[in-house]
Amino acid sequence: AQRVTQPEKLLSVFKGAPVELKCNYSYSGSPELFWYVQYSRQRLQLLLRHISRESIKGFTADLNKGETSFHLKKPFAQEEDSAMYYCALSLDSNYQLIWGAGTKLIIKP
Amino acid sequence: EADIYQTPRYLVIGTGKKITLECSQTMGHDKMYWYQQDPGMELHLIHYSYGVNSTEKGDLSSESTVSRIRTEHFPLTLESARPSHTSQYLCASSEDSRFSPLHFGNGTRLTVT
Repeated sequence: AQRVTQPEKLLSVFKGAPVELKCNYSYSGSPELFWYVQYSRQRLQLLLRHISRESIKGFTADLNKGETSFHLKKPFAQEEDSAMYYCALSLDSNYQLIWGAGTKLIIKP
Repeated sequence: EADIYQTPRYLVIGTGKKITLECSQTMGHDKMYWYQQDPGMELHLIHYSYGVNSTEKGDLSSESTVSRIRTEHFPLTLESARPSHTSQYLCASSEDSRFSPLHFGNGTRLTVT
């Protein structure tokens, strides 16, 4: 069965430190993955997607099919990165999204 | 401006009342979704639509119903609200492509007393 796992419910790092939010997936088809972010009092929005291979707000994510992972990374955390982050997998059969449980990222000053 | 709108933002209502949560988008998207989310928790898909006159139930069992009579409008109705329905409800829309992101509304926070 398809599944997305974000093992950390809460991640707290100091400003300027590197950040890695983990995302692992289980899927027998061709994976297409997304990271969404929800800042305090703002709507949930797309951060980045695998297909675009882009860096947004200093964040990058690489799809590792061998490890079935799509970890989100940023070399130097900033206070404005504090938010809730969700990893999501798009199924190739019906385009439905399978969501991870989310990781709350807190950047300490 | 192209966007997705949800009303009301907050709703407090008594048990047994019928309520309708409104969702409209001006992006011309065919696909629309309703999610239930408690603050800081995971999202649960309760209904989705691929287009006009198309509605499907999601993964989370829900006592709500939806309709899609117009492309831009996807209201969710609870015939008889209960305290267990207290949650945040998020509406989203997307193009009909695997690579298209979901665009979310601001949500409706429902409290049933």
